[in-house]
Amino acid sequence: KAGVTQTPRYLIKTRGQQVTLSCSPISGHRSVSWYQQTPGQGLQFLFEYFSETQRNKGNFPGRFSGRQFSNSRSEMNVSTLELGDSALYLCASRREPQETQYFGPGTRLLVL
Amino acid sequence: GENVEQHPSTLSVQEGDSAVIKCTYSDSASNYFPWYKQELGKRPQLIIDIRSNVGEKKDQRIAVTLNKTAKHFSLHITETQPEDSAVYFCAATAQYNNNDMRFGAGTRLTVKP
Repeated sequence: KAGVTQTPRYLIKTRGQQVTLSCSPISGHRSVSWYQQTPGQGLQFLFEYFSETQRNKGNFPGRFSGRQFSNSRSEMNVSTLELGDSALYLCASRREPQETQYFGPGTRLLVL
Repeated sequence: GENVEQHPSTLSVQEGDSAVIKCTYSDSASNYFPWYKQELGKRPQLIIDIRSNVGEKKDQRIAVTLNKTAKHFSLHITETQPEDSAVYFCAATAQYNNNDMRFGAGTRLTVKP
């Protein structure tokens, strides 16, 4: 079974621009969570989607948003990019809440 | 919401020694505690997990213990090898409450040959 995939893998943007990242979960997994990883900050939870509905949300500003499609693929969008948004963005999928979460390879975003 | 604290932030051991990483959590409803290993430039990979109905779980050189009363759990790696060098993350979630998974800040383990 194919693992979680993310596109693009690398991205360079400038301040003020917006960006959309994509995540395709493992087949049959209905939950997709997004995390921001920066050096020294660990994995910061952004939000989780389950069956096209946002189920949980972390403490990030409204510039960070997401959605999930009927095939469980998910996108996250960051508008008005700031330098501090430079990070590795990881998504993770799981079939149901009580099951294990598996991570994608991440998208490394650099904001100049 | 859940808050997970992890210690130490860095850990250096000699090959063959044991390594212990400790985490505490705040939400008494949390009942699932996975540990992930992230090698440089790679995605976090699940290495072991424990559910709240057991106090200890072992898989070869890796073991996890859970103390529900004290709300802390630990990862134990015995007979460490250089390939164990990585960042380790603990996490906690209340699975049946549809809660999201919260992670500790990570521990950078270095195993010196």
